[in-house]
Amino acid sequence: DQQVKQNSPSLSVQEGRISILNCDYTNSMFDYFLWYKKYPAEGPTFLISISSIKDKNEDGRFTVFLNKSAKHLSLHIVPSQPGDSAVYFCAASVGGGSQGNLIFGKGTKLSVKP
Amino acid sequence: KAGVTQTPRYLIKTRGQQVTLSCSPISGHRSVSWYQQTPGQGLQFLFEYFSETQRNKGNFPGRFSGRQFSNSRSEMNVSTLELGDSALYLCASSSQGRGETQYFGPGTRLLVL
Repeated sequence: DQQVKQNSPSLSVQEGRISILNCDYTNSMFDYFLWYKKYPAEGPTFLISISSIKDKNEDGRFTVFLNKSAKHLSLHIVPSQPGDSAVYFCAASVGGGSQGNLIFGKGTKLSVKP
Repeated sequence: KAGVTQTPRYLIKTRGQQVTLSCSPISGHRSVSWYQQTPGQGLQFLFEYFSETQRNKGNFPGRFSGRQFSNSRSEMNVSTLELGDSALYLCASSSQGRGETQYFGPGTRLLVL
């Protein structure tokens, strides 16, 4: 049973517009969430994270929102750029990451068109 | 600061063989986690090492094993390779592995024929 779900396998957005990537989770014990970006044949690159004690975290063009009651988080990219085209993974951990493992969603492929 | 490095980057083996993959974490990082990425299953956690001890293990058979050295470098071994072991193997390091972000290496692409 998937504990972290990214229900949209792909998303296409025009350059300059907002990209919204969504992620749902089932395990209420998750307390640390991360977003990674991945290009083919490369390892995931860390983008942004959020602790369960917060509901929003911003870093430049990237903002992550956490809705604990709905067990939902989203990544907003504003404005979207062609270089943002990649696969985006949502990940979660239990106990503040104390178990040393991350549970990943299956990813959403973002295409930003010029 | 140098990132996480993994060697080799590509590997071709045949069924029944064994393979050893290597990972050097970011300097100062003591936690190393290993993941397997396949098209069907996505990224799945294999195990995590901290100070030469395995602290956590994912749901993989005993053919998958690992170890960590005193300099925090880690190796992963897969014995009796199967076709389904073909995957991208990623390692990630973090400072303590407790609440910190994990930083990934480029991965080792293993093809089992």
